[in-house]
Amino acid sequence: IQLTQSPSSLSASVGDRVTITCRASQAISSSLAWYQQKTGKAPKLLIYGASTLQSGVPSRFSGSGSGTDFTLTISSLQPEDFATYYCQQLNNYPLTFGPGTAVDIK
Amino acid sequence: QVQLVESGGGVVQPGRSLTLSCAASGFTFSNHALHWVRQAPGKGLEWVAVISSDGRTKYYADSVRGRFTVSRDNSKNTLVLQMDSLRVDDSALFYCARGNGDPPRHFDYWGQGTLVTVSS
Repeated sequence: IQLTQSPSSLSASVGDRVTITCRASQAISSSLAWYQQKTGKAPKLLIYGASTLQSGVPSRFSGSGSGTDFTLTISSLQPEDFATYYCQQLNNYPLTFGPGTAVDIK
Repeated sequence: QVQLVESGGGVVQPGRSLTLSCAASGFTFSNHALHWVRQAPGKGLEWVAVISSDGRTKYYADSVRGRFTVSRDNSKNTLVLQMDSLRVDDSALFYCARGNGDPPRHFDYWGQGTLVTVSS
């Protein structure tokens, strides 16, 4: 199962609403997770089951979608949110990740 | 607290072998499937392999199947990735990650990674 993400990169300002989309090449129900990765660090789980917020993750992060189309939304971008975001499908092996969306400062 | 610590990375020539380990602590190791994920320098994440909690079931990415072997020792809380016939494009930071659920719903803990460089 291939995952595509759009955009591949974006520039935004603190306080902006940011939306990242992930599309799967076939239906994966709600078996999708989102991760945040900062430079030099391991990925951090944000969302699983397409829309369940991982414990400890700020509520400005939210996820939606099912089937083939998914969205990660950051309601009000904070300085610590500048990072690369990856979606991951867990519906079938081999598991796959999207190519990533880099969010940087405008 | 949950900790995953990878080791064994280094510089190796193409065609040679290398063994990575992941030492786990802070949770019941034998209850969780474990995964390897790699990231080439400046590139995205690539899932590599999984081993079930009891070690009986394993899956691999097409890019490594037949060359890499995942195993675990539940008595020592250790995950291992044996990598044979290494290629230049296997160069990457290798992470071990804990799967939550089987089948997994997500990866909830990750190590900091161990770097593998394949070069002549």
